[in-house]
Parts: sequence; structure tokens; C-alpha cells
Amino acid sequence: NAGVTQTPKFRVLKTGQSMTLLCAQDMNHEYMYWYRQDPGMGLRLIHYSVGEGTTAKGEVPDGYNVSRLKKQNFLLGLESAAPSQTSVYFCASSSRGGAGYTFGSGTRLTVV
Amino acid sequence: GQQLNQSPQSMFIQEGEDVSMNCTSSSIFNTWLWYKQDPGEGPVLLIALYKAGELTSNGRLTAQFGITRKDSFLNISASIPSDVGIYFCAGLNYGGSQGNLIFGKGTKLSVKP
Repeated sequence: NAGVTQTPKFRVLKTGQSMTLLCAQDMNHEYMYWYRQDPGMGLRLIHYSVGEGTTAKGEVPDGYNVSRLKKQNFLLGLESAAPSQTSVYFCASSSRGGAGYTFGSGTRLTVV
Repeated sequence: GQQLNQSPQSMFIQEGEDVSMNCTSSSIFNTWLWYKQDPGEGPVLLIALYKAGELTSNGRLTAQFGITRKDSFLNISASIPSDVGIYFCAGLNYGGSQGNLIFGKGTKLSVKP
């Protein structure tokens, strides 16, 4: 059982480039989340999804878009990367009403 | 929005020492959770608390759900080197507009030089 898999693990982007981060879970979880982690800031929620075809904004959604076309996948897109988006991005999933989120191992993104 | 105040921000431990950290909030939560994050990895759930006053242990770790539902504590007894990492508290309210976790900013445990 892989749990939550994030790809890629590392990426360097130039300002203005676009990219998509992929999150895949094999636990049949309803809920999926994208967080960013910055030093001294903890984990901040970017977007989340409570089911296939639905998404909602979190605490820091600006500059990001998401899609949940399949239940097992949650994509995070950066249309025009900015240095302020340099961060470590974590995907997580949980069952409906479940408190125990399962996290992926993260994607370290640097925007230069 | 809801915020969690986690303290201390960092601490140094010596093998064998007991460690305590806590989390407080201005609003109540229905569930408190404690996660640990190792370098280069995502957070891993340590303990989940579902009822005010609840005291739950997981090996050398003990956590409590405060009676007021606005705080939680995590204790680590007889620390060992592999306890180093970042510990996060998180609160959850079911039925809110966002059914998602609110995280504290973390407590970083390091080994005393």
C-alpha cells in the first residue's frame, strides 16, 4: 500500500513558468488537501476537495489552482510561478469525517 | 480565522529527559491531534483525541484533550535521539464551513549539543 504519493519530489522553476504537482492516494479516501510549509509558518492549507469533481479554497489559495477529476488524484497547478511560491508542498488525504490525515512525503519547489 | 498557539517553538533535549509541549486556541475544537515530522518527510499522526478531558498514550507519548476544549498537551517521557523532529498540534471541528485541520506552527526538538 503506497498511501499518498507526490510527484515530483523536487523541482526548480523560473519565475513565470507553470507546473503541476500530482498527488495520488490508494486508500479510497474522499477528502484530499494541499498544504504548503514554510519555515516558522507551520502548514497552511491551499485548497482542498471533499470529493471527486469538487474543490474549495483554503487559507492561502492565491496563485494556485486545483482539480479533482478522479477520486484518487488531486492536482495542484501554478500558472505563473513566483519566488514567493518557493516552499515545500504536502498533499494529504482522509476518509469522510476522518481526523487522521495521511500525508505524502512532500515536493520541494524552488522558484528563481 | 482559527489559530493555534503552539509552544515552545523549539527545545533541546538530552537523552532520558521528559519533554512537554502544548497548544492553545481561542476557539474550541472537537478533535485534537498530534503529528511528528521527520526531516524530508510528511507529518505522521501520533495521537488523536476525541473527547474533552481524554488522556491517551502511545508508547512513551501521552497527550491530553483539555477540559475547556481549547487546549492540548503532549508529553514525551525518557526521550531518545530518534524523538528529534518537528511536532505539530492540530485541531478539527466537524460540521464547520471547512472540515479541515488547523495546524500549530510546530515545536522543533533537537538534541542538546
